[in-house]
Amino acid sequence: GQNIDQPTEMTATEGAIVQINCTYQTSGFNGLFWYQQHAGEAPTFLSYNVLDGLEEKGRFSSFLSRSKGYSYLLLKELQMKDSASYLCAVKKNYGQNFVFGPGTRLSVLP
Amino acid sequence: DADVTQTPRNRITKTGKRIMLECSQTKGHDRMYWYRQDPGLGLRLIYYSFDVKDINKGEISDGYSVSRQAQAKFSLSLESAIPNQTALYFCATSDLRLAGGRLQETQYFGPGTRLLVL
Repeated sequence: GQNIDQPTEMTATEGAIVQINCTYQTSGFNGLFWYQQHAGEAPTFLSYNVLDGLEEKGRFSSFLSRSKGYSYLLLKELQMKDSASYLCAVKKNYGQNFVFGPGTRLSVLP
Repeated sequence: DADVTQTPRNRITKTGKRIMLECSQTKGHDRMYWYRQDPGLGLRLIYYSFDVKDINKGEISDGYSVSRQAQAKFSLSLESAIPNQTALYFCATSDLRLAGGRLQETQYFGPGTRLLVL
């Protein structure tokens, strides 16, 4: 089976740093994705991790620990436009390919 | 122009009606997916297809059917709509590419169809 957990909501201040955690339990793990979704819009790809460690891309970084079933998305120098939901998704190497977590709604306050 | 399009963008229908949601893509991807999104539940997979005529059930396929007659099109049908099928529906495509020496599959989502079943 598969189970993906994320906090439901988070709040942070403009210019700050925020870490959004994701824990998962799954068989046939073949990578973890983070997507950003603004209200009423389609999810858009942010990052991909398949090996342990940190992947950095501009203001966004994503970390993976496969042994712990844990990932986080780190957002630096927060901007108001970063207010959105952040979806953690696990890719399996067979069957149902992508399993999404419930998403974390981030509010960035001035 | 959008690479993944969905029609209609909004639809209101009555219980018992059959309706079809269309998805088209110009990305040339073989893999296509249909998801529904409900508040607090995230995206759940309904059906997916890895090639023309290839159909696979996802997590919540009951009450839905799909058709993949061409690489660029993947349609979702609700045979007899019921109120708990009210949701936001997303179509997605994916490709496989080498990134940093690793094979990566990334999904690209359409703009969504907001469906209300009365």
